[in-house]
Amino acid sequence: GAVVSQHPSWVICKSGTSVKIECRSLDFQATTMFWYRQFPKQSLMLMATSNEGSKATYEQGVEKDKFLINHASLTLSTLTVTSAHPEDSSFYICSARDSGGTNEKLFFGSGTQLSVL
Amino acid sequence: GESVGLHLPTLSVQEGDNSIINCAYSNSASDYFIWYKQESGKGPQFIIDIRSNMDKRQGQRVTVLLNKTVKHLSLQIAATQPGDSAVYFCAESGNQFYFGTGTSLTVIP
Repeated sequence: GAVVSQHPSWVICKSGTSVKIECRSLDFQATTMFWYRQFPKQSLMLMATSNEGSKATYEQGVEKDKFLINHASLTLSTLTVTSAHPEDSSFYICSARDSGGTNEKLFFGSGTQLSVL
Repeated sequence: GESVGLHLPTLSVQEGDNSIINCAYSNSASDYFIWYKQESGKGPQFIIDIRSNMDKRQGQRVTVLLNKTVKHLSLQIAATQPGDSAVYFCAESGNQFYFGTGTSLTVIP
């Protein structure tokens, strides 16, 4: 099956620093990728839809200046948490949709646990 | 966003029994649904999908049922095993991809 690689899997940073998370589709092209945030024992909350070559579409309540998304190629999307604070600590998950596929199935990365001290 | 919700937050079953996890959705125009399994600290894994032109689809030990009249779908797991313990989400696929609350399944040996 299709593979989505997410890196890093765990990051600890100081408050005020920025953290970049990468999401790569390894064996397919993805014009659309999605970024989710998940708190313990809660569901995945869609943050934004990343579109290759264009601006990301953010969900209501998600600060676009806080969570910068770049989707410069068909296989890579990045999420940068700028000036991270402890409340940004969470599990971040990306997913990608196979542009050449015949269905809309999403493939997920393994997630990134962000801890801001 | 769209509302895709689950009825039960937790479910405990004995090993070997069948499990049924339910999900309600609100968008009557939805035409594609997916069940995912998420283990602690990992990303969701695809289990099974179903299109709106179907009522039932079977996989290996899993069956998804879709009732479009009441906008409800369910996931049935046959002969539940300890390895099935996880959180299960239903999701509606459209321009965006929204998940329900999730049901935590615990299999009792």
